[in-house]
Amino acid sequence: GENVGLHLPTLSVQESDNSIINCAYSNSASDYFIWYKQESGKGPQFIIDIRSNMDKRQGQRVTVLLNKTVKHLSLQIAATQPGDSAVYFCAETLYSGAGSYQLTFGKGTKLSVIP
Amino acid sequence: KAGVTQTPRYLIKTRGQQVTLSCSPISGHRSVSWYQQTPGQGLQFLFEYFSETQRNKGNFPGRFSGRQFSNSRSEMNVSTLELGDSALYLCASSLGAGSVETQYFGPGTRLLVL
Repeated sequence: GENVGLHLPTLSVQESDNSIINCAYSNSASDYFIWYKQESGKGPQFIIDIRSNMDKRQGQRVTVLLNKTVKHLSLQIAATQPGDSAVYFCAETLYSGAGSYQLTFGKGTKLSVIP
Repeated sequence: KAGVTQTPRYLIKTRGQQVTLSCSPISGHRSVSWYQQTPGQGLQFLFEYFSETQRNKGNFPGRFSGRQFSNSRSEMNVSTLELGDSALYLCASSLGAGSVETQYFGPGTRLLVL
């Protein structure tokens, strides 16, 4: 598989436990954030997003929390399953109008689920 | 509906050579973005093309260029390859320009520069 997991922090969790993955973003003016999941040998896959005017958003088994004061994002995965094992990235977007934007990704966290 | 396809999947080049990578977006998608992914730098945005025009650009040297054809297929070119260009190059497509939230990624092209 692809070695995108090298040099990444790793989070190991027991199956059925909850996981929390953290991300510090860089630009206080960023107005849109996304969490991606990347499995070995595949491209990133959209999980959930949140706009800067929100502090929490929930999806199916996932919740994203945004703390703009400290420029911090977290992804919570409930009842973690073996299929959740992957590298998780956050991304921040700063829109500057007319379809223009600046997109920056975090380095990623490797989640390993222990059966 | 077929997903984003990238060719070739793997490529080996030597320093100083140039390389062209190809991306076919999902049918109906008109925006194609390119990304470089390395273990050290992570995922970095290269550029976005929409309607054959470059709409957004990341912070990469001019050796990295791209183009988009009228059928929305896109190519990325890297000239005068350097060892540090070894990476996974990802392409993503979306319906409209700047539609970051609705991007679909391809599997990538793994480039190794020797």
